[in-house]
Amino acid sequence: AQSVSQHNHHVILSEAASLELGCNYSYGGTVNLFWYVQYPGQHLQLLLKYFSGDPLVKGIKGFEAEFIKSKFSFNLRKPSVQWSDTAEYFCAVCGATNKLIFGTGTLLAVQP
Amino acid sequence: GAGVSQSPSNKVTEKGKDVELRCDPISGHTALYWYRQSLGQGLEFLIYFQGNSAPDKSGLPSDRFSAERTGGSVSTLTIQRTQQEDSAVYLCASSLDWTSYEQYFGPGTRLTVT
Repeated sequence: AQSVSQHNHHVILSEAASLELGCNYSYGGTVNLFWYVQYPGQHLQLLLKYFSGDPLVKGIKGFEAEFIKSKFSFNLRKPSVQWSDTAEYFCAVCGATNKLIFGTGTLLAVQP
Repeated sequence: GAGVSQSPSNKVTEKGKDVELRCDPISGHTALYWYRQSLGQGLEFLIYFQGNSAPDKSGLPSDRFSAERTGGSVSTLTIQRTQQEDSAVYLCASSLDWTSYEQYFGPGTRLTVT
């Protein structure tokens, strides 16, 4: 069965610090990988996605993620976070069926 | 253009009552999904529609939950005889078609069962 693990449940950073959020998935076939973000009071928005090709994908707001097939990982990174990045981040996988399987989410708090 | 819309935004109901939650997908999107977001369970898939048919209902937690979609557009999620554990935010998403994995989410309906 497909599953997604996010190891960091709550991350607190100061502005300008670098960010890396871990995501590991379990699925034997071809996967499509996503990071979604939920800002306070807002709905889920797509941050970036990986379907195929270059394993380093760039998304909105300076975020990027690297797909490492051998490690079943799709970690999210940002070199320098801002206060406005405070949000909850969800990693998700979509395999043969069209449903998204989400990780438990990581709450990021960026202190000014 | 308009995104996915859901109504009501909030619903408080008494245990045992039935509720209906509505989703309007993005115009032209043929695939529609329902998810549930709760404190204990995180984000869970409920059901997926392609057109008016539901190829995957595997996430519906019990037979009290049902969903339909008519005209290939609006969808209704119905919960019968609500229980307190049904309290959650119910999210709807749509995508262009079954081959498009990029899903766009609505704002959700917060359901509270008292």
